[in-house]
Amino acid sequence: GAVVSQHPSWVICKSGTSVKIECRSLDFQATTMFWYRQFPKQSLMLMATSNEGSKATYEQGVEKDKFLINHASLTLSTLTVTSAHPEDSSFYICSARGGAGQPQHFGDGTRLSIL
Amino acid sequence: EDQVTQSPEALRLQEGESSSLNCSYTVSGLRGLFWYRQDPGKGPEFLFTLYSAGEEKEKERLKATLTKKESFLHITAPKPEDSATYLCAVQWDFGTSYGKLTFGQGTILTVHP
Repeated sequence: GAVVSQHPSWVICKSGTSVKIECRSLDFQATTMFWYRQFPKQSLMLMATSNEGSKATYEQGVEKDKFLINHASLTLSTLTVTSAHPEDSSFYICSARGGAGQPQHFGDGTRLSIL
Repeated sequence: EDQVTQSPEALRLQEGESSSLNCSYTVSGLRGLFWYRQDPGKGPEFLFTLYSAGEEKEKERLKATLTKKESFLHITAPKPEDSATYLCAVQWDFGTSYGKLTFGQGTILTVHP
């Protein structure tokens, strides 16, 4: 149980392109989803928290207009990197939590490379 | 100031050589401490949740313990397939934090056959 699917797993695109990443909880309803960024050999850095049906809460220093988050249902959240540039290249990971006190379960990440 | 610190940064063991990983935290109001395993190129895999001092959880060769200031992940008779990065994460009461976690930097475990 507690499977989180993230798609796509790998994206290569040109600078200026917008990229959408999907995160789905397959066998549970996720009241809260989280988006992280991870640089090589570093730990996870939280970007934003999203609750179904409400606006996402972004961490300090994360550009809301650059990283658009939509949490339209209890099983789906999307992250759109708008007008991506090479410095946005990174490993993006989502997680989902079933409720208070429940652990976060993670997707397998999306490696984004902007040329 | 770091609020979650893991040590050592890297640990090399021979197969069968038991050891422990440490996670110390400096904040009060702990709501939960979580251990994850992360393989290269993958998302973290949930291992354990600990909620209060004195609590212990076990799974196969892994055992997690919690005190008021730190947690240990004990690995008994490790095998090469236990090689991974082990992440510790803390959740405390931020009011409307919706359960967000703060991660330590991780311990890279390598088990040689």
